[in-house]
Amino acid sequence: QVQLQESGPGLVKPSETLSLTCTVSGGSISNYYWSWIRQPPGRGLEWIAYIYYSGSTNYNPSLKSRVTISLDTSQNQFSLKLSSVTAADTAVYYCARGPTRFDYWGQGTLVTVSS
Amino acid sequence: EIVLTQSPGTLSLSPGERATLSCRASQSVSSSHLAWYQQKPGQAPRLLMYGASSRATGIPDRFSGSGSGTDFTLTISRLEPEDFAVYYCQQYGGSPNTFGPGTKVDIK
Repeated sequence: QVQLQESGPGLVKPSETLSLTCTVSGGSISNYYWSWIRQPPGRGLEWIAYIYYSGSTNYNPSLKSRVTISLDTSQNQFSLKLSSVTAADTAVYYCARGPTRFDYWGQGTLVTVSS
Repeated sequence: EIVLTQSPGTLSLSPGERATLSCRASQSVSSSHLAWYQQKPGQAPRLLMYGASSRATGIPDRFSGSGSGTDFTLTISRLEPEDFAVYYCQQYGGSPNTFGPGTKVDIK
C-alpha cells in the first residue's frame, strides 16, 4: 500500500520561503506523477503543481511565479518550495499521487504564515 | 480556468436516505474528466469517482456518478453513518484542474 508523508516547518514568516517534502513509501516514485495540493482552513482545495518522475513539471498559473517542485528518486521523495509567502498561503498542504486526479494522499501538514 | 459550483451547500439527511449532490461547470468538461472526493474532518480527501461515473478502488456501489458536459451528479443510494462528510467535485479536463467548493452532508 502506497503511503505519503509530508514534512517541514509548521510556521513560516511572511516574505520567506515555505519548504515541504513528501516521502513516498510502499512503492516507487518512478513511473508516476506527484502533486501538491493545499486547503486553507475551512475552505476548498487548490492544486499547486505536479512533477513526473522524469522531472517534467506543471504549475498552477496562479502560483507559478512563486513555486518550485522537485524530486529525489534516490530518496523516494518530492518537494515543494513556495517563495514570498503571505498570510494567504496559510493552509494544510497535501502531497498526492497523480497529475490531475489523485488516488493516494498524505495526511496533510498545516503551515501557518505569521511573524 | 473552469469554475465549479456545487449545490446544495449543505444537505441534511438521515441514515438510509438517498443523497443527490450536484456539480456544475462554467464550461464543458472534456471527456467527462470529472472526479468526486469525500473528506472527513481532519483527514485528507479520498477519491470516490473518476471519469464522472467510474468508482475508484474499494468504493462501495452505493456511490454512483453521472453527467456530462457541464452538469454532473454524485448519488449515494442509502446513506451509511460513515458517509456523513464533505464532498468535492474536481474537473481535470481543463488546465489547471480545479475543485468545487464542496457539499456538506450532515445528519438530520
